[in-house]
Amino acid sequence: HVQLGESGGGVVQPGGSLRLSCAASGFTFSNYAMHWVRQAPGKGLEWVGVISYDGTRTNHADSLKGRFTISRDNFGNTVFLQMDSLRAEDTAVYYCARVGRLYYYVGLAWFDPWGQGTLVTVSS
Amino acid sequence: QSVLTQPPSASGTPGQRITISCSGSNSNIGSNPVNWYQNLPGTAPKLLIYSDNQRPSGVPDRFSGSKSGTSASLAISGLQSEDEADYFCAAWDDSLNGSVLFGGGTKLTVL
Repeated sequence: HVQLGESGGGVVQPGGSLRLSCAASGFTFSNYAMHWVRQAPGKGLEWVGVISYDGTRTNHADSLKGRFTISRDNFGNTVFLQMDSLRAEDTAVYYCARVGRLYYYVGLAWFDPWGQGTLVTVSS
Repeated sequence: QSVLTQPPSASGTPGQRITISCSGSNSNIGSNPVNWYQNLPGTAPKLLIYSDNQRPSGVPDRFSGSKSGTSASLAISGLQSEDEADYFCAAWDDSLNGSVLFGGGTKLTVL
């Protein structure tokens, strides 16, 4: 059974850092690019970024570049989202999602499955 | 403001057929596949349609997708109360370094 599970969310002060993890199971993790998507309370979906299946390439949303970094550990079947210099507007549920096709890094917005999400609250 | 434009709301009665539109540009919908997601409150988004018009296994054939030029549509026939949810379109955008764009979402109400 293909599954993703995020962890690491919580409350953090403005300017702080947080590292989210997404554990994968039920598929060959090292064959798939992985994305992060966030959803602020009551708002729509916003793409955060992607990491290639082998971890050699990343692409982050322009609005987040320099603050958010995606990495992965293919031996541990886990993808990470390092978030620095956090702001109130980064408050959201953060989802990891698997791209829908083997090895695709760019060109697809086909995500299946998604994790259950982890809530990040940036507040003093 | 989302670059993929969806109507903020839609409604229908049980059994009715409704469509939700998603408008983009040549750099996204015009050159890349469109995907649709259903988002129930408090749950993770669920893939409904991929590659413009393909249904994953387990998604009822009441849901269908289409695309023409720089616009796409999601159709739901035989509307049911459990279809009440938010629906998002998504496509890769080739501008600059590339990115994923989501529509702003359409809240479907089943009257």
